[in-house]
Amino acid sequence: NAGVTQTPKFQVLKTGQSMTLQCAQDMNHNSMYWYRQDPGMGLRLIYYSASEGTTDKGEVPNGYNVSRLNKREFSLRLESAAPSQTSVYFCASSETGPTAEQYFGPGTRLTVT
Amino acid sequence: SQQGEEDPQALSIQEGENATMNCSYKTSINNLQWYRQNSGRGLVHLILIRSNEREKHSGRLRVTLDTSKKSSSLLITASRAADTASYFCATEETGGFKTIFGAGTRLFVKA
Repeated sequence: NAGVTQTPKFQVLKTGQSMTLQCAQDMNHNSMYWYRQDPGMGLRLIYYSASEGTTDKGEVPNGYNVSRLNKREFSLRLESAAPSQTSVYFCASSETGPTAEQYFGPGTRLTVT
Repeated sequence: SQQGEEDPQALSIQEGENATMNCSYKTSINNLQWYRQNSGRGLVHLILIRSNEREKHSGRLRVTLDTSKKSSSLLITASRAADTASYFCATEETGGFKTIFGAGTRLFVKA
């Protein structure tokens, strides 16, 4: 099992460009999450999907959209990137809600110039 | 706003010593989890303690939870160089769905 995979690993964007971060899990988990991690800070929840077909805003959703394409895949889209979105993005999944252990992907390091 | 806040922000110890990290939070919680993050990697789950539990052990890890003080501690005994990492507490608020992470404690274990 690969666990949680994310693509790409690194990305540089210019202000105003758009891109989609891809995440997939092969553990048949119901819930999936997108976090961002900034230097010296913990993870902040951007969006989550409690189950296939549902998505909800987290703590910092502005500037992002998500799609739960199927049970395996949960993508994060930046429609018009801004320098404030420079961060490391982590996708995670859990069997049922956040009470269960969350499994994290390796992260995507995004720089917006 | 961050629910959990770890203390200290950074900790440097010698191999073989014990490392203690603390986490404080603000609201009622269903559970509290501890995660480890090695440099440049994703987080790895270490242990979960429920709000009705006071202490939990897993190998060299010991976690305590004091809901009256809204605090938790993570003790790593007989530390090893491989324990060098950042450690985060994460809480799930009562009635909520979201997990809120603290800013983390950076632990450095010198060989």
